[in-house]
Amino acid sequence: SQTIHQWPATLVQPVGSPLSLECTVEGTSNPNLYWYRQAAGRGLQLLFYSVGIGQISSEVPQNLSASRPQDRQFILSSKKLLLSDSGFYLCAWSVGKVNTEAFFGQGTRLTVV
Amino acid sequence: GENVEQHPSTLSVQEGDSAVIKCTYSDSASNYFPWYKQELGKRPQLIIDIRSNVGEKKDQRIAVTLNKTAKHFSLHITETQPEDSAVYFCAASKVAGGSYIPTFGRGTSLIVHP
Repeated sequence: SQTIHQWPATLVQPVGSPLSLECTVEGTSNPNLYWYRQAAGRGLQLLFYSVGIGQISSEVPQNLSASRPQDRQFILSSKKLLLSDSGFYLCAWSVGKVNTEAFFGQGTRLTVV
Repeated sequence: GENVEQHPSTLSVQEGDSAVIKCTYSDSASNYFPWYKQELGKRPQLIIDIRSNVGEKKDQRIAVTLNKTAKHFSLHITETQPEDSAVYFCAASKVAGGSYIPTFGRGTSLIVHP
């Protein structure tokens, strides 16, 4: 069966520090991969999505970037965190080349102090 | 791009009552409409979905309806129970340039009072 791993679960980082959140998927090949941010009262905001290795599309211009170095690995990064980057970050995957449900990771609660 | 509006933002009901959450979408190319439930501190999980070739789908106490002409779809929960309390998200998804991109509504916080 397919599983998705996202870590860490919680993270407290100072302003100006770098960020790296990692997400891996097991049990499937060529998944669609997504990074979402969930802020209070704003629902699920799509940050990045990827349909293949090295293929990244950004939905919202911001202080973050994403990379997909391997088929089932998706990384969210920042060179210098801002206070406004605080939030709940969710990685998700869906079956490649099919329009169907997304499966979410456990999420990372990021607090920038 | 797609825009999904979801109402209400908060819904409070008594146990046993019905709850209805409504969503509208803007892009007629959207053809897949999932609903997710997110309990406090947990990840969103799919509870029901509907495709554009179907007008209604039911799974026990949960049903979803879709009106393609009006571009709106709704989630109906009957005989609500306290464990139904959670945030519910609707989404509209389409294929765009080989990508499969779901756009989510802002969520509805459902509170079921015992």
